[in-house]
Amino acid sequence: DGGITQSPKYLFRKEGQNVTLSCEQNLNHDAMYWYRQDPGQGLRLIYYSQIVNDFQKGDIAEGYSVSREKKESFPLTVTSAQKNPTAFYLCASSLDRVNTEAFFGQGTRLTVV
Amino acid sequence: GENVEQHPSTLSVQEGDSAVIKCTYSDSASNYFPWYKQELGKGSQLIIDIRSNVGEKKDQRIAVTLNKTAKHFSLHITETQPEDSAVYFCAASPPPDYKLSFGAGTTVTVRA
Repeated sequence: DGGITQSPKYLFRKEGQNVTLSCEQNLNHDAMYWYRQDPGQGLRLIYYSQIVNDFQKGDIAEGYSVSREKKESFPLTVTSAQKNPTAFYLCASSLDRVNTEAFFGQGTRLTVV
Repeated sequence: GENVEQHPSTLSVQEGDSAVIKCTYSDSASNYFPWYKQELGKGSQLIIDIRSNVGEKKDQRIAVTLNKTAKHFSLHITETQPEDSAVYFCAASPPPDYKLSFGAGTTVTVRA
């Protein structure tokens, strides 16, 4: 079955540590996105990539980093520089960047302990 | 950038009644408006979308209306069922980047 998979579902991190969230898609989509979801707020864009080996900062990129070495994969690293990392993270992909349906993963809930 | 506001934040309806969620957007150049349904443990899925050259679109019990002049669009769910309980997000997509800007979400609860 085609789809987009995020792992892990739950992640705990100690303060000061970096942690990487995985996002894989087998939909042959060019564009991939990372969003952060906090209670009472909409999905906020962290980073997006329109093609392999290229990515752009979204609205809240500080404290995060990404890579897009393969079309299928778009991992997100939450670094120790992110001051408030506890949140629900959603990865999405779309065929291209221009007004096409975005498919979402099931999300990763990150908690800093 | 685009700013999307969504109301209400929570909505409780009796099974069989209608539910309406409204969103406003700020960038008049936005031309694509999707609605997503987020269910616990199931991720988010596109349920309906509308483009700026259309005023209304319907898919069974779900409809979306768009008023470009007023810069608002609405989701209408008729004959609500318990499985309609979820969080619904609206979004707008303006050129040139076509990045989706999301509303804050509406938690819909359908009471049996």
